Amino acid sequence: GAVVSQHPSWVICKSGTSVKIECRSLDFQATTMFWYRQFPKQSLMLMATSNEGSKATYEQGVEKDKFLINHASLTLSTLTVTSAHPEDSSFYICSASWQAASSYNEQFFGPGTRLTVL
Amino acid sequence: SQKIEQNSEALNIQEGKTATLTCNYTNYSPAYLQWYRQDPGRGPVFLLLIRENEKEKRKERLKVTFDTTLKQSLFHITASQPADSATYLCALDMDTDKLIFGTGTRLQVFP
Repeated sequence: GAVVSQHPSWVICKSGTSVKIECRSLDFQATTMFWYRQFPKQSLMLMATSNEGSKATYEQGVEKDKFLINHASLTLSTLTVTSAHPEDSSFYICSASWQAASSYNEQFFGPGTRLTVL
Repeated sequence: SQKIEQNSEALNIQEGKTATLTCNYTNYSPAYLQWYRQDPGRGPVFLLLIRENEKEKRKERLKVTFDTTLKQSLFHITASQPADSATYLCALDMDTDKLIFGTGTRLQVFP
């Protein structure tokens, strides 16, 4: 159980275009979803945290107008990279969690989306 | 701010040996420390969690230790196999809704 999917798994786009990445929790309802970015040989950097039905909370240094996050349902969150530029090329990973009995921060990660901006 | 250090150099070991990976952190100790496996081009997969009041945790061939005095966690894989080759990430769970990840250590197990 606790499967998270992402779509697409990879995308190539031209500079200046917008790209939408979907994150779905397949077998549970995710009260919270997280979006991370990972550059080669670097750690996962949290970009934003989103709770269903409310605005996302962005980490310092992440432009909320550039990285639009929508968490419209308990099973779907989307990340839209607007006016993408080559420096936005990265590996984007989402994770999902729900308010459960476990006391620790239990997150289930998606397989990631490789974005390449030409 | 909290910093996490994992050996950025790859760890190469022979099959059957024990692999030991290190995770060091600064500042205050997390409530929990988690270890993940990440294969190239894939998302992280949860392996083990250890609480701040636990010294050691085991799961099959995996063992994690947590020393809050040294501010260090060690991750051991016994009887390592080529299939264990991957990048291993430690993550600090500060008892908030956020995880802070290290850069990971790449493990290569050769036959």
